[in-house]
Order: sequence, then structure tokens, then C-alpha cells
Amino acid sequence: DVQLVESGGGLVQPGRSLRLSCAGSGFNFGTTSMSWFRQAPGKGLEWVAFIRTRAYGGNAAYAASVRGTFTISRDDENSVAYLQMNSLQPDDTAIYYCSTGQYDETGYPTRGDHWGQGTLVTVSS
Amino acid sequence: EIDLTQSPATLSLSPGDRATLSCRASHIVDGYLAWYQQKPSQAPRLLIFETSNRAAGIPARFSGSGSGTDFSLIISSLEPEDFAVYYCQFRSRWPPAITFGQGTRLDIK
Repeated sequence: DVQLVESGGGLVQPGRSLRLSCAGSGFNFGTTSMSWFRQAPGKGLEWVAFIRTRAYGGNAAYAASVRGTFTISRDDENSVAYLQMNSLQPDDTAIYYCSTGQYDETGYPTRGDHWGQGTLVTVSS
Repeated sequence: EIDLTQSPATLSLSPGDRATLSCRASHIVDGYLAWYQQKPSQAPRLLIFETSNRAAGIPARFSGSGSGTDFSLIISSLEPEDFAVYYCQFRSRWPPAITFGQGTRLDIK
């Protein structure tokens, strides 16, 4: 079975950084594109970023709201995806989910087939 | 960038009823439309991908349709476990980006 386990969330002060991890198992991590989504308390879903496989160049794409401050990366040897979040602000407070999904000819996922349980990030002084 | 508007915001129905949820795109863009179900304190669950394909393990009472800017999720006969929040999601082909609708809450009447 596909399993995704996020970790690294917690309480952080505004302006500080945090790195989230997503450990994958039960599938071939190196041939799977990965995504991060988030959901602010009581709000809807928001896409954050996704990253292609090494075969597609390993490039990433970002939502406008996080471009320049968040960085997605992957470690295929250890089956882990990361989300480095810098200059965090209170409106970054959310549950962060990682996901895998089928990709198209661009190498980017078209949907989220499998999701982790999420990790809560709270940005507050 | 595409905007997705879901309607209604809240839908109150009874078990056994038929539910029709709408998702309207701001303009026509080449890409992929999906639907998710989310229950409290749970991660989203993929129901429908590429407008009308049921994901693995999804019951046949769930179906998706649409084209252009108008898409629908239909639940033919509501079961008690179907009361949840539903989101539509669009992945534009290029530049690649994902947008969600604001969600429809399906409540028990």
C-alpha cells in the first residue's frame, strides 16, 4: 500500500524557517512526482508546489503565494520529499499535506491519488 | 490563472437523495478536472479524475461529467457516509498549476 508520512510541523515565529518532510513507501518513489498542498484552519485546499521526477529533469513549480520563499526538493535514495519554508508569516498557518499522483507528458501530477495525514504548521509570536 | 466556483456552497439533503454539485471555471483552459471528498480531520480523498473517471475503490454512485467551463459531480443515491465537503480541482496543462474550488458542504437534512 502507498503510504505518505509528513513530519516537521510545529509552532514557529514569524520570519523564521521550517522544513517539512514527507516519507514515502509502498511505491517506486524515484518514478513518482510529488506535491505539497495546504489547508488553513477552517478553509479550503490550496496547492503549494510540485516536483517532477529526475527523468523529467526534477524541476519544480510553485503557487504564486509561495514562489520565492518555499522550495520543494526530493531525495530519491531515501524516498523523502521536502518543503523548505522561509520567511514564514501567520497566513502560512495550515495543515500541510504531501501527495502523489499520476502525471502527464509534462511530468507534473494532474491530481492527488494518495495523501499523507498532514502536519500542522502554526506561525505565531 | 483559472478560477473555479463551486455551487451551492452548502447542500442539505437526505440519505437516498440525488446530489448534484457544480464547478464552473472562469474560462476554458486545457487541463484536467478532478473531484475530492474530505471529512473532518481527514486528508482529501480522490473521487473522480479527468472529469469522469472514478478513482480506484470509489463506488459507482459517484459520477462526474462536464466540458468547457461547466463540470458536475453527481451522487446518485446518498449514503450516510457521503456527507462531507467536496472540492473540484483543475490542473492546467501549461504553465502547470493547480487550482481548487472553494468547496461544497453536503449536510444531512
